[in-house]
Order: sequence, then structure tokens, then C-alpha cells
Amino acid sequence: QQQVKQSPQSLIVQKGGISIINCAYENTAFDYFPWYQQFPGKGPALLIAIRPDVSEKKEGRFTISFNKSAKQFSLHIMDSQPGDSATYFCAASRGNDKIIFGKGTRLHILP
Amino acid sequence: DAGVIQSPRHEVTEMGQEVTLRCKPISGHNSLFWYRQTMMRGLELLIYFNNNVPIDDSGMPEDRFSAKMPNASFSTLKIQPSEPRDSAVYFCASSLAQTANTGELFFGEGSRLTVL
Repeated sequence: QQQVKQSPQSLIVQKGGISIINCAYENTAFDYFPWYQQFPGKGPALLIAIRPDVSEKKEGRFTISFNKSAKQFSLHIMDSQPGDSATYFCAASRGNDKIIFGKGTRLHILP
Repeated sequence: DAGVIQSPRHEVTEMGQEVTLRCKPISGHNSLFWYRQTMMRGLELLIYFNNNVPIDDSGMPEDRFSAKMPNASFSTLKIQPSEPRDSAVYFCASSLAQTANTGELFFGEGSRLTVL
């Protein structure tokens, strides 16, 4: 019930294409859903986050879509660029509990 | 501004040896987290502190692992004795939030541990 399932494990997208990473959760009490981006040799860094009172949040080329009834949320990267190549983690948490991370998606954008 | 500082960046040791990883959080942050990252298990929270007090250590794998935060600017994660299955990248993160989920986590660059 505490798991966050992320897919795909790896993804290859052509430059200019749309990258889509999906996550699913079981615990309906989760109320905070961040996405973190990690470059090789670096620690993860917060990219964008959403709370379940909205269905979509957009920041530049990055959009989170949230489907509360399906208990799913996804990250869309529009006009994907080689600089977006990184590992992306979805996560979820509730109240005072710890953040639960998905296992990550390794994204590679072909130049 | 300096971010979260971890040392060492790389550690290679032999099975049975003691390993100590160090972390300096961002000044003013009141929560500190230790994570372990592996390909198989992803990012696992080991323990977190709030105002230097351990709040949740349920992720610590076994008694060989211990963590301390003697003051607001320093924390250690110790493994004694180390085993090959402890090989991973260990991250320290800090945040301003009082709880584990209401603020952005700022991660260090990690300590890559290899136990032979």
C-alpha cells in the first residue's frame, strides 16, 4: 500500500518528441506528489510537484497530469531535448509520513 | 550558497571494515535524511532527523547501520561491519520542513560505497 510503481524503467525519445513517464499508487491518503530529476553523479533535485486538488500542473516544458480516481499521475516532457536525459523519480507522501519514491526511469533523448 | 555536502564521494573498503559517511546539511535546514540508492531497490529512506532528533529509523536495514546527528550542521551514517551487499550510493538530503513531506528535499551529491 505504501508503494509507488513507476514505468517504464527506461525510455528513449527522439529530440523534439514527447517523453511520458507514468506512476501509480495505492494509498488514497497520499497528498503530495513530487517529481525529482537526477543527472549522473549528482543527487536528485525537485523538478515539479502537485497536490491532488488539481488535475494538471505545468512548468515550462514539464507537465504533471493527475488522475485521482485512477490513482495515477504522469510526467510529460514536451519538445524533449538531449539535456533532459536523466533519471526521473516520481514520489508520494501523506501528512507527516516520509516520501516514498518510485524506482526511477532512465530517459535518453536522441540528438 | 553551499548545498548539502557529503564526504567521502567514493569509498572502497573490504568486508568487515567500518565505514563512516558524513553529511553537512544546508545551514538553517531543520530536517535531515539519509537515503540509499541501488539499481534493484531505487531510493530507500534509511532514517530522518528533525531538529537533530531521529524521527523514523524504520528504513535502517539492520543493527550494523547507525546514524547520529550531534548538532544541526553535521550527521554521520556508520556501517559496522560492512558487507558487499551494502554497496550503493548513499545520499544525504536536508529540508526546511518540519515533516518529511511538506518541503523540497535538497540532496547532496552522494557517497558511492563499494564493499569488496
